[in-house]
Amino acid sequence: QKEVEQDPGPLSVPEGAIVSLNCTYSNSAFQYFMWYRQYSRKGPELLMYTYSSGNKEDGRFTAQVDKSSKYISLFIRDSQPSDSATYLCAMKRPAGANSKLTFGKGITLSVRP
Amino acid sequence: DAGVTQSPTHLIKTRGQHVTLRCSPISGHKSVSWYQQVLGQGPQFIFQYYEKEERGRGNFPDRFSARQFPNYSSELNVNALLLGDSALYLCASSSHNSGDTDTQYFGPGTRLTVL
Repeated sequence: QKEVEQDPGPLSVPEGAIVSLNCTYSNSAFQYFMWYRQYSRKGPELLMYTYSSGNKEDGRFTAQVDKSSKYISLFIRDSQPSDSATYLCAMKRPAGANSKLTFGKGITLSVRP
Repeated sequence: DAGVTQSPTHLIKTRGQHVTLRCSPISGHKSVSWYQQVLGQGPQFIFQYYEKEERGRGNFPDRFSARQFPNYSSELNVNALLLGDSALYLCASSSHNSGDTDTQYFGPGTRLTVL
């Protein structure tokens, strides 16, 4: 079993839709959770960074963490064609341990105009 | 402020050859990490360096090596290239070794093709 599992894609939605992207993880040592957006042939760009269970909102983006279920989500409201990209969830252990990021496989999102 | 820069952008090599990839971190950042991203997969951790010392190594063979220079730039070296080494190689920089809220910023990557 992989440490981080991400819902398979690809995902295609109409402009204006609400998008839900999800990851599960098996290692309870993960304490920090991130969502990265990666456009084609580019490096990943950090979208959201969360620590505790609960919700964190930034504009049209909401990150949700449920540590008891080992489940994280990213919601995108009023999706735009410019949101079309690959979305990667990433996790890491606390300070003092290796600070490497462990990524999900990524899901490709296409927002149709 | 310039972001993380990587060179070259693209590289084509043949099996058995050696390759060196370069990374310059964001000004002021002292930690550099290397990741391999195979097509259709998420990035996989290869190395982390902080203050010129190796602080972490992923599950990669000894053909992979890296180093960090006094100016905090870094090189990733891969010997005896295999077809399976074809991937996007990403460099990420951060200001600390493993701070709790430390954020890793990624460069655009070097796309390596092994024929």
